[in-house]
Amino acid sequence: KAGVTQTPRYLIKTRGQQVTLSCSPISGHRSVSWYQQTPGQGLQFLFEYFSETQRNKGNFPGRFSGRQFSNSRSEMNVSTLELGDSALYLCASSGRDSSLETQYFGPGTRLLVL
Amino acid sequence: QQQVKQSPQSLIVQKGGISIINCAYENTAFDYFPWYQQFPGKGPALLIAIRPDVSEKKEGRFTISFNKSAKQFSLHIMDSQPGDSATYFCAASGFSGGYNKLIFGAGTRLAVHP
Repeated sequence: KAGVTQTPRYLIKTRGQQVTLSCSPISGHRSVSWYQQTPGQGLQFLFEYFSETQRNKGNFPGRFSGRQFSNSRSEMNVSTLELGDSALYLCASSGRDSSLETQYFGPGTRLLVL
Repeated sequence: QQQVKQSPQSLIVQKGGISIINCAYENTAFDYFPWYQQFPGKGPALLIAIRPDVSEKKEGRFTISFNKSAKQFSLHIMDSQPGDSATYFCAASGFSGGYNKLIFGAGTRLAVHP
């Protein structure tokens, strides 16, 4: 079974731009979660989507948004990029219907904001 | 109340030694405690997990010890090997504040020297 895939793997943007990251979950998984990983803040939960609906969200500003498609693929968008948005963005999928347990992570997209 | 505190931040162990990483949580709603292992350039991967109804779980060289009354849990890596060198994250999951939450510790960078 193929794992979680994320594209692109690396991205360089400038302040004020926007960016869209993509995640394809493990086949059959309906829950997709997004995390931001930075050296200073560790792994922080952004949001979770299940069956095209945002079911769960963390404490990030509205500049961070996401969506999920009918095939469970998910995209995350960050608008008006700030230098502090530079991070590794991780996507994780879960096979359970009602829990964040047993999350399978992708390799991440490393975003650098200049 | 949402934090998971992890220590130490970094750990150096000789090959064959025991690596011990500790975590503490505050929210009694947490009911699932996974450990993740992350190698450079990769996303975190589930290593082992425990629920509060047991005090210990062992899988190969990896053991989780859980102390419900103290709200603490720890990862023990027996016979540590250079290939175990990675960053380890503890996490806690449970229903709180209307959402399922998965909160990660800050991570421990383990280096096993040959």
